[in-house]
Amino acid sequence: NAGVTQTPKFRILKIGQSMTLQCAQDMNHNYMYWYRQDPGMGLKLIYYSVGAGITDKGEVPNGYNVSRSTTEDFPLRLELAAPSQTSVYFCASSYSIITFGTGELFFGEGSRLTVL
Amino acid sequence: GDSVTQMEGPVTLSEEAFLTINCTYTATGYPSLFWYVQYPGEGLQLLLKATKADDKGSNKGFEATYRKETTSFHLEKGSVQVSDSAVYFCALSGAGGGSNYKLTFGKGTLLTVNP
Repeated sequence: NAGVTQTPKFRILKIGQSMTLQCAQDMNHNYMYWYRQDPGMGLKLIYYSVGAGITDKGEVPNGYNVSRSTTEDFPLRLELAAPSQTSVYFCASSYSIITFGTGELFFGEGSRLTVL
Repeated sequence: GDSVTQMEGPVTLSEEAFLTINCTYTATGYPSLFWYVQYPGEGLQLLLKATKADDKGSNKGFEATYRKETTSFHLEKGSVQVSDSAVYFCALSGAGGGSNYKLTFGKGTLLTVNP
């Protein structure tokens, strides 16, 4: 009963380093998302994917890259980490288009990233 | 573009008090509306939803009614418990095109319930 699994849960990076946040879901969902959550700012969409091989930018994509080679996995790559990328990152997935009522986002537990 | 404005927190209540968290939205067309809850140390989870005007979503004693005339989706609960302490997010999904795949979130409201 794993749902959406994110790793690592915590990470400290130095400025300029790169890393990948891993996200995997076992619900066979087509849609996957990466959000970042900054204190008092709610969640902002970084990237999303509507299926394997298809990705698109959200509101705040700069400094990030994604890939979707399988239905299950949706890793988020940070290149040249900057202090502005200090945040909590959430991966989410959904079975269907959200608008149609049956859509519901399932979230992972989050990855807390600090860039010093 | 789409936006959600929700009540600034934090909100602190005593157990069994009545809760209202206000949420208003701006969107074109007819969005779907959601409340998500985030318990400490966890990811967000769906609390309730409404997909058309005048719909009432309800779950775990919480309710919210989709009011198109006032563009609002206020969250209410008649008697809160300590276990309701969490951050509550109002969200909407757009009504067309690429917006169908995405949620726009409010900033979140921290609720603390004291025994």
